[in-house]
Amino acid sequence: GQNIDQPTEMTATEGAIVQINCTYQTSGFNGLFWYQQHAGEAPTFLSYNVLDGLEEKGRFSSFLSRSKGYSYLLLKELQMKDSASYLCAVRDDSNYQLIWGAGTKLIIKP
Amino acid sequence: DVKVTQSSRYLVKRTGEKVFLECVQDMDHENMFWYRQDPGLGLRLIYFSYDVKMKEKGDIPEGYSVSREKKERFSLILESASTNQTSMYLCASSLTGGNEKLFFGSGTQLSVL
Repeated sequence: GQNIDQPTEMTATEGAIVQINCTYQTSGFNGLFWYQQHAGEAPTFLSYNVLDGLEEKGRFSSFLSRSKGYSYLLLKELQMKDSASYLCAVRDDSNYQLIWGAGTKLIIKP
Repeated sequence: DVKVTQSSRYLVKRTGEKVFLECVQDMDHENMFWYRQDPGLGLRLIYFSYDVKMKEKGDIPEGYSVSREKKERFSLILESASTNQTSMYLCASSLTGGNEKLFFGSGTQLSVL
């Protein structure tokens, strides 16, 4: 079956680094997305990986290993405004639609 | 700046009512989507459209229909609202080609009593 797994909740300290993992089992693969969603707001696009390796974008980086069905989102120099849910989604190349994880709620403490 | 606008932020309806959720995007995107978001679950696709007057069922289309008469507008219709349709409804749009990242509206929190 199709499945995306990510931790339900994580806590980290302001200024620190946190890694949010996402594992997936899908019938096909055509890219993995990370979105950020602040409470009560719309999800916004963070990153896209289709090839193995690390994509860096400022304080945020995303890693993909297709052979392991694994991705992570790395957030550095954490700020209070990074408190949000982080959604992992995989595009299935059989129907070109996204399969979504339930999201990881990240709590940042001072 | 890219914008997807949903007509209502909060909506309260009674069981059996016909409900219309409207979504408009100003980016000339071909693709539009309706998702629902429930606690503890990933986003679930209800319907999507790749072009005007075109619609495709997503994973959970039962109890819903859609309309896309103009490129910029995609409407979700609950023919006869039920309590299990209480949810956050998110509209999104994307361009065809590239990574086709989604741009989301702010959502409509629908409560069916």
